[in-house]
Amino acid sequence: GAGVSQSPRYKVTKRGQDVALRCDPISGHVSLYWYRQALGQGPEFLTYFNYEAQQDKSGLPNDRFSAERPEGSISTLTIQRTEQRDSAMYRCASSPRDSFSYEQYFGPGTRLTVT
Amino acid sequence: QKEVEQNSGPLSVPEGAIASLNCTYSDRVSQSFFWYRQYSGKSPELIMSIYSNGDKEDGRFTAQLNKASQYVSLLIRDSQPSDSATYLCAVTRDDYKLSFGAGTTVTVRA
Repeated sequence: GAGVSQSPRYKVTKRGQDVALRCDPISGHVSLYWYRQALGQGPEFLTYFNYEAQQDKSGLPNDRFSAERPEGSISTLTIQRTEQRDSAMYRCASSPRDSFSYEQYFGPGTRLTVT
Repeated sequence: QKEVEQNSGPLSVPEGAIASLNCTYSDRVSQSFFWYRQYSGKSPELIMSIYSNGDKEDGRFTAQLNKASQYVSLLIRDSQPSDSATYLCAVTRDDYKLSFGAGTTVTVRA
């Protein structure tokens, strides 16, 4: 079946603008995760949803970052007043989180460049 | 100390050889362990998960977990050029927040 999809795949924005990154999880997956990956590093946890509830947002760097998943499916990660240090690959993952599997499957990512 | 540490690499092995990747973690309460493969410019792809001590085999891949020593390893048997990638070790104590190592880059020489 279809995997995790993310859009846009590439986003170039000017410093100070707001951006919204979208994630569409694998159909039926109840859990959704956002990570950020710097070049040469592993992904770093940002936030996690179980259905529509945001269960953990401890990894969000500051209050310019927010995420929502209003209907328990598609999620949006919003960065307000972007700064150059926000430039990175933003990755979304989803998981069925049944009692047998906590495996997370990643989407292709959104490459954000703040100029 | 980093939460998850991997061999810095790069690791170069001849085709047909065994590639051995190691990962240590600092959180003793960690419950679930994963290996992801990431080709250059692509997203991480889950290749192995392991939850209990011992070995788990899947095709040419074997994951080994030793919770007492806080390490998890990945063996790739009969390495192929298509195995050339960065391998990421991921660990979680709560089954949702994955902590990743920086990855080990493997190059398989034809």
